[in-house]
Amino acid sequence: EAGVAQSPRYKIIEKRQSVAFWCNPISGHATLYWYQQILGQGPKLLIQFQNNGVVDDSQLPKDRFSAERLKGVDSTLKIQPAKLEDSAVYLCASRAPLDTQYFGPGTRLTVL
Amino acid sequence: GDSVTQMEGPVTLSEEAFLTINCTYTATGYPSLFWYVQYPGEGLQLLLKATKADDKGSNKGFEATYRKETTSFHLEKGSVQVSDSAVYFCALGANTDKLIFGTGTRLQVFP
Repeated sequence: EAGVAQSPRYKIIEKRQSVAFWCNPISGHATLYWYQQILGQGPKLLIQFQNNGVVDDSQLPKDRFSAERLKGVDSTLKIQPAKLEDSAVYLCASRAPLDTQYFGPGTRLTVL
Repeated sequence: GDSVTQMEGPVTLSEEAFLTINCTYTATGYPSLFWYVQYPGEGLQLLLKATKADDKGSNKGFEATYRKETTSFHLEKGSVQVSDSAVYFCALGANTDKLIFGTGTRLQVFP
């Protein structure tokens, strides 16, 4: 079974630029999560989708971050404009009902 | 709110030494508890879990017991290997099923 796929693996941008990350969950997983992991910290949930609906986006900085999962499968997380403090690893995870979360390899973002 | 506290690292051990990584939690209700491991250059992998008090999760020689009375879920392994070198995260599964993670503990095992 294929795991959670993410791209790109690495991204370097200047502050105030825009960036987008892509996630393809495990086939059949209805629940999808985006986490932010700042260096030296544990992952923090940004947004949770159930199919194409948002379940929890309480910790998403909505003035600059947006996410969508239009067809209930792939998801895109966007930052516009990026700040220095957005430098982190962005993790995508997916889950089947009554199962645990499976994580992708992450996208490491560096904002200069 | 719910939170997880882990011992700070790095933890440095010789091969075949005994490992303990402490984890305590604060939560309303009765969360599930997890240990995830992150090997260099890889994503988070579930190591083990426990869903209720007194449950013991185990995998690859690692064990952790869900202790409600001490709100703890300490990770243990009797004999570590160099290949166990990684960052270990304790986490709890909150009511909305999102995971709340500790800050992680880096384990370094030397031959």
